[in-house]
Amino acid sequence: QKEVEQDPGPLSVPEGAIVSLNCTYSNSAFQYFMWYRQYSRKGPELLMYTYSSGNKEDGRFTAQVDKSSKYISLFIRDSQPSDSATYLCAMSGGGATNKLIFGTGTLLAVQP
Amino acid sequence: EAGVTQSPTHLIKTRGQQATLRCSPISGHTSVYWYQQALGLGLQFLLWYDEGEERNRGNFPPRFSGRQFPNYSSELNVNALELEDSALYLCASSSYDTLNQPQHFGDGTRLSIL
Repeated sequence: QKEVEQDPGPLSVPEGAIVSLNCTYSNSAFQYFMWYRQYSRKGPELLMYTYSSGNKEDGRFTAQVDKSSKYISLFIRDSQPSDSATYLCAMSGGGATNKLIFGTGTLLAVQP
Repeated sequence: EAGVTQSPTHLIKTRGQQATLRCSPISGHTSVYWYQQALGLGLQFLLWYDEGEERNRGNFPPRFSGRQFPNYSSELNVNALELEDSALYLCASSSYDTLNQPQHFGDGTRLSIL
């Protein structure tokens, strides 16, 4: 079993839709949770960074972390064609290891 | 503010050769991380350097090595290249303190082994 599971998609939605992206994980030591967006031929771009459980909102993006269920989500409101990309969840335990464990990524296509 | 920069953008090598990839972190960041993004395998952690020292290493063979220079830039060296080393190699940087700052990535070096 992988430490982080993410549905690879592809996920296709119409412009303006609310998008829900999810990851589950197995390691209870994870404390830091991130969402990255990666366009083709580019590196991952940090979207959201959350410590421990709770919600965080930034513009059209909302990140949720439920440590009791080992489940994290990213919601995108009013999705735009420019949101079409691969979305990667990542997490770490922090401290001495400090390495990120990534999901495999979900490919999102927002249709105009 | 300039982001993480990596060079070269593309690198083509043959089996058995050696490759050197370079990374300049965001100004003020002391930690540099290397990841491999191979097709079908996702992003895998390779190495972490901070203040010139190797702090952590992923599950890769010793022919993957690197170093960090006094100006915090970093090199990743891959010796005895194999076909399965073909991948996008990503460098990330962060400031490293007790608050565990997030990692910011460059656009990578695409390494192709013929």
